[in-house]
Amino acid sequence: EIVMTQSPATLSVSPGERATLSCRASQSVSSNLAWYQQKPGQAPRLLIYGASTRATGIPARFSGSGSGTEFTLTISSLQSEDFAVYYCQQYNNWPPTKTFGQGTKLEIK
Amino acid sequence: EVQLVESGGGLVKPGGSLRLSCAASGFTFSSYSMNWVRQAPGKGLEWVSSISSSSSYIYYADSVKGRFTISRDNAKNSLYLQMNSLRAEDTAVYYCARDARAAAASWFDPWGQGTLVTVSS
Repeated sequence: EIVMTQSPATLSVSPGERATLSCRASQSVSSNLAWYQQKPGQAPRLLIYGASTRATGIPARFSGSGSGTEFTLTISSLQSEDFAVYYCQQYNNWPPTKTFGQGTKLEIK
Repeated sequence: EVQLVESGGGLVKPGGSLRLSCAASGFTFSSYSMNWVRQAPGKGLEWVSSISSSSSYIYYADSVKGRFTISRDNAKNSLYLQMNSLRAEDTAVYYCARDARAAAASWFDPWGQGTLVTVSS
């Protein structure tokens, strides 16, 4: 099974500043990596797929990068609505287990 | 509008069974692989199971293998999760999620709103 590890577990950032979240895979997943945002009481919302492609309607301040085993989600200028929990997910062909990272909670500093 | 609506959650005793359903609308259900993902209270997301469009390929997380069974009825646009031998650690919100693209390894989009399963005596 591919294990996804996110860091840090909690990130405290002030509004208007940049946030950088990391995700590492235990083996290469190529660019088969997605990022989701989840707010309390809501289902996850797709932000990024293919490691760097923004989903429909996602603001340009969200960007993803990386390939292989190291990935990054960057939020360039934090807005109040961006404070949430963020998860990465690998969806490589094999093994066919689409595992998630444990999440990074982005909180207001 | 693409929509997924889960149902069937509730309170069940340890060792009991429960069947979750997910009703799909707004897209050609029979063309997409479907998935169940769960989230224990205060915890992260855990992929549970996936089923291909024609039910030919089925996969489970080790934590539920042998106890849970995923299935689908393409004529009824519905996805199911039969959960047997339930344990306290199965307590979670269960989400139904569609593969975002047909016929290829894919991320999940959209997601349903979730249904809560509580396993307790």
